[in-house]
Amino acid sequence: SQQGEEDPQALSIQEGENATMNCSYKTSINNLQWYRQNSGRGLVHLILIRSNEREKHSGRLRVTLDTSKKSSSLLITASRAADTASYFCATAHSGNTGKLIFGQGTTLQVKP
Amino acid sequence: KAGVTQTPRYLIKTRGQQVTLSCSPISGHRSVSWYQQTPGQGLQFLFEYFSETQRNKGNFPGRFSGRQFSNSRSEMNVSTLELGDSALYLCASSLNAVTDTQYFGPGTRLTVL
Repeated sequence: SQQGEEDPQALSIQEGENATMNCSYKTSINNLQWYRQNSGRGLVHLILIRSNEREKHSGRLRVTLDTSKKSSSLLITASRAADTASYFCATAHSGNTGKLIFGQGTTLQVKP
Repeated sequence: KAGVTQTPRYLIKTRGQQVTLSCSPISGHRSVSWYQQTPGQGLQFLFEYFSETQRNKGNFPGRFSGRQFSNSRSEMNVSTLELGDSALYLCASSLNAVTDTQYFGPGTRLTVL
């Protein structure tokens, strides 16, 4: 069974607006990774944040991690139609080599 | 650097057959993990290989198996296919699967009829 929970399950916004997706997990992590997937294709890596980090930025993306609440958020600023995709968080855990546990994903639609 | 490649991209099989999928990791990456993605179960971990050794395995029946070669390329095999095995199979490579980013390939879409 999947450990991660993401919300919302679906999000629809206008171009130029910001999009925020949240992810929660149950047990302590080594790191948390965010991925994007377009229409059943492969996963594109966005950001990796380690358990001792609180915030990371990459271009228009900002990821925060709160290990006390076991949660993370992904913020996409100034969204574009090309950002339309499914977004997944995935957690890596010490002692569970090579295994990422994925949330069910958030489907983002950005309307032109 | 070239990304992770998977072959074939699409595959149609019938129940009872077996199938072999291939994954070539990013040059220099020695860890390869495999995942199954279905609409109902989402993304689930199958197994992970490092230097030709399976280090971790998910909760899948023994019909699912894999191996890794000395050049880090990996294959997974599914025997006695069932309708429920229809899925997108993704492989990912990394330098160190415990602490580093996993980079995914485009996937193999398997349809079992």
